[in-house]
Formats: sequence, C-alpha cells, structure tokens
Amino acid sequence: DVKVTQSSRYLVKRTGEKVFLECVQDMDHENMFWYRQDPGLGLRLIYFSHDVKMKEKGDIPEGYSVSREKKERFSLILESASTNQTSMYLCASSPSRWRGDNYEQYFGPGTRLTVT
Amino acid sequence: KNEVEQSPQNLTAQEGEFITINCSYSVGISALHWLQQHPGGGIVSLFMLSSGKKKHGRLIATINIQEKHSSLHITASHPRDSAVYICAVIGNYQLIWGAGTKLIIKP
Repeated sequence: DVKVTQSSRYLVKRTGEKVFLECVQDMDHENMFWYRQDPGLGLRLIYFSHDVKMKEKGDIPEGYSVSREKKERFSLILESASTNQTSMYLCASSPSRWRGDNYEQYFGPGTRLTVT
Repeated sequence: KNEVEQSPQNLTAQEGEFITINCSYSVGISALHWLQQHPGGGIVSLFMLSSGKKKHGRLIATINIQEKHSSLHITASHPRDSAVYICAVIGNYQLIWGAGTKLIIKP
C-alpha cells in the first residue's frame, strides 16, 4: 500500500513565523504535490514537483516555497505566515507522469494549520 | 465559470437510497478522477476513468466524453458513505478540481 505521511495533523503558529510542512511518501513516486483546501473552494494546487530538485508553481504559489532534496520528501515552507494561510494543507504523490488512466494521486492525512 | 462543476453541492438522503453525484467539465481531458474525503481530512482515490463505466462494490462511476459529463452512483447507501466526494479532471497536463459534493446519509 502506498503511504503518504505528513509531519503534523494540527499546527498553530503566530503571524510572521516561518512554517515547515513536511511530506514523505514510501513508494518511489516521481510526482509530489502540495494543495490547500478551504471551504467552498475545493483543492487548490500550490506547488508540485516531478523530480528531485525540480519544482513548478501551481495556481496559488504566492507566500509559499517548496523544497525537494530527496525523491521521497517534499516540504512546503511558509516564509512568513499570515492569517489568510490558515487552511488544511494536503500533500499527494503519484507514480506516473500524466499518463491518463494511470495517473492517480495518493494523499496524506492533511495538516490543519491555524495562524493567529 | 469553473472548468469543473459538481452537483449537487450538498446532498442528504436516507439509508438505502440510490445516490447520484454529477460532474461536468468544459475542458478536453485524458481522464477523470473521483475521490472521497471523510471528516478529518483523509482523501482516498475511488476511480480513475477515461471512458465507459467502472464498478467497485456499491460504487459505480460512468463517463461520457462527448457530453463532458461523469456521474458517481452509490447503491444501497449507508451512513458510512457520508463524506465529501470530489471530481478532478486531467487535461493539458494539469489536474483541475471540482469543489466537492457533501453527502450525508441518515440512518
């Protein structure tokens, strides 16, 4: 079974703090993703990565950065947390590179971040 | 207008009812993904399909590429089916997400 783990289920941080969210997958997947999920807005892609040290901006990258130093680990960084970054953050991985029926994402349990 | 529209947004039904959740999209796609999210956050993949119909237990997913429409059906619904059901389409090398349908099944 594919396993995607995230470093924390719940996190409370203060405005201006630097925040690290870590994601690890154990199935040697090429692709990894970071989403945020807000009520009424669904999932929105922040950043994704197709390979080690590669990253691409998603739909809402502002205020975030990412790091992928190893294939199994993809980190999301909030350089200076703000209250509008309070959200559920979901990490996902997938084994193939946009191959139609084979393209399936596996999700971590999510991190609910509150910025006060 | 959103590229992926789900309907209804919210659905409450009695145990045993046949459930249908719809997903319409406006872009060309190579495949469509149905996922389930239970309270607490975890998201699980249900189906990935690019044509026809797939069945897994009480869940059935269909897609009509010409009409740009997919449906997720649940037969003999049960309170444990209560969750948010999300449709996502794969097109132009990106995944486009619907906003989700919140389903509540009452005993």
